[in-house]
Order: sequence, then C-alpha cells, then structure tokens
Amino acid sequence: EVQLVESGGGLVQPGGSLRLSCAASGFIFSSYWMGWVRQAPGKGLEWVANIQQGGTEKFHVDSVKGRFTISRDNAKNSLYLQMNSLRAEDTAVYYCVRERYSGNYYFDSWGQGTLVTVSS
Amino acid sequence: DIQMTQSPSSLSASVGDRVTITCRASQSISSYLNWYQQKPGKAPKLLIYAASSLQSGVPSRFSGSGSGTDFTLTISSLQPEDFATYYCQQSYSSLRTFGQGTKLEIK
Repeated sequence: EVQLVESGGGLVQPGGSLRLSCAASGFIFSSYWMGWVRQAPGKGLEWVANIQQGGTEKFHVDSVKGRFTISRDNAKNSLYLQMNSLRAEDTAVYYCVRERYSGNYYFDSWGQGTLVTVSS
Repeated sequence: DIQMTQSPSSLSASVGDRVTITCRASQSISSYLNWYQQKPGKAPKLLIYAASSLQSGVPSRFSGSGSGTDFTLTISSLQPEDFATYYCQQSYSSLRTFGQGTKLEIK
C-alpha cells in the first residue's frame, strides 16, 4: 500500500524557515516524480513544486521561487520542502503527492497533510 | 503559466441528478487534464486522469471528456457521498495548475 506521511509543520514567525519532510513507503520511490501541493484555510488547491526521479530537474510555482526548494533523498525514500523567508500567505496545509504517468501525469497518491502557520 | 477556470464555482443539486462541471484552460493542453474530489478535512482523491480515464476504484457514474481547452466532469446520478468540492488540474506544463474548485452542495 502506498503511504505518504508528512511531518515538520508548525507555527513559525514571518521571515522564518521550516523544513517539511515526506516519508514514502509501499512503492519504488526513486521511480516517480514527487511534489508538494498546498491549501490555504478555506481556499483551493495550489501546486507548489515537483521534482524528477533523480532530483536534477525541479520546478516551483512563481510565488515561492527563490524562497522554497524541493529536494529528495532516494536512499531514504524521502521528499523535502525547505521553506525560507516565510510569509503569512504561505499559511496552508501542505500535501506530499506522488505523480504517476500513464499517458499523462497525475497526482494519484496524497499524504494526509501537515499544517504550516506563519504568524507573529 | 496555464490558467484553469472552472464553472460554476458552486452548484446545488439533488440526489439522482445529473451534474456537469466545466473546466477551461487558457491555452491548449491536449488531454493533459485531471479531476479530483475533496471532502472537508480530507486529502483530495483522484477521479479522472488524461481527461477521460477513470481511476481504479472510482464509480462509473463519474466520467470526463474534452480536449484542447474545454473539459467536462459529469456525474450521471448524484449519490449522497458525492457532495464535495471538485478540482481540475493540468499537467501539460511542468508548472502544474489547478482550477479554483467547484463546490457541490445538496439542494
């Protein structure tokens, strides 16, 4: 069974940093694109970043470029999101997602989410 | 970036109704379009991928169609468990984007 378990969320002051982790199990982690999707309270889904299987190719939404960095450790079956210079508008539940390819990329597995609150 | 626009933003319907949700892309995305269902307090769940392929385990009352810029999600006969928020998402671009969501409520 595919499992994605996020950790590392919490309360942080504006301008602070946080590192989210996602522990993956039940599949060959190194064979999949992985990513992060967030959802601000009462709002819709926003794609944040994704990373190719080997970690050399990665993409970030414009609103986090230069502040957030996605990375992975295939030996540890883990995905990370380093978040720096946090702003109030980064407050959201952050979901770890697996991207599957079958003629098209899609998010077929989601973690339970971890809440990040940016507030003084 | 590719913008995704869903309509309507909210919808009231009754059990047994046929419901259609529309998603429009700001440029052609071929069939690189997926649909998700989200219930309150839960992670989203994949329903449809590649515009019209039903994800394993999803009831056949859900169907998707379209290509290019215009897509639809149809629920043929609403069941009580279908009241939720639905999102479309494009994967044509490496910069993925979601629609703003359609909240389906009980009439």
